[in-house]
Amino acid sequence: GAVVSQHPSRVICKSGTSVKIECRSLDFQATTMFWYRQFPKKSLMLMATSNEGSKATYEQGVEKDKFLINHASLTLSTLTVTSAHPEDSSFYICSARVFGEGPNTEAFFGQGTRLTVV
Amino acid sequence: AQSVTQLGSHVSVSEGALVLLRCNYSSSVPPYLFWYVQYPNQGLQLLLKYTTGATLVKGINGFEAEFKKSETSFHLTKPSAHMSDAAEYFCAVMNSGGYQKVTFGTGTKLQVIP
Repeated sequence: GAVVSQHPSRVICKSGTSVKIECRSLDFQATTMFWYRQFPKKSLMLMATSNEGSKATYEQGVEKDKFLINHASLTLSTLTVTSAHPEDSSFYICSARVFGEGPNTEAFFGQGTRLTVV
Repeated sequence: AQSVTQLGSHVSVSEGALVLLRCNYSSSVPPYLFWYVQYPNQGLQLLLKYTTGATLVKGINGFEAEFKKSETSFHLTKPSAHMSDAAEYFCAVMNSGGYQKVTFGTGTKLQVIP
């Protein structure tokens, strides 16, 4: 299947600093990527939909000024957590969609990034 | 609107026993259904999916699931559990048209007892 690479896998940052997480589709072009946040012992919460060449669409309750998303090319989307605080500590996962109909519809996930804000 | 309910946040089975993880969904249009597995501190790996056609779907690692429209269910099964199956499993639904947003269930943690 298609490969989605997410970097870094783990990051520790100081409170008040910004952290950038990259999501790359390695062997296909992804016009749309998705960013999820996973809280401990909970499911994945969709944060935003990243569209190449346009503004991201944020889910209700997600601060767009805090979680900056840039989708500058068909293979790269970045999530920047600005002015990070301990409550932003979480596991962030990106996903890229291979669009098609029926059996060709599938979402591929990155390996995830464990963010710890101290 | 679409939603997924996974019954049982934790399931324990003995090695060699049947694995049954339950998933019920709701969707206003015909759904696409998925099961993903997540190992600690890793992303999600697709186990299997139902989009159209045969309602019994076979996936990787010996898992299979059956789409039952009348019961709005998509339960995941494996005849014989292996220690390496211990992980968290997520059921997900995607509408077959429109925005194609994926909604995940809350996950079921599978423990395999030797």
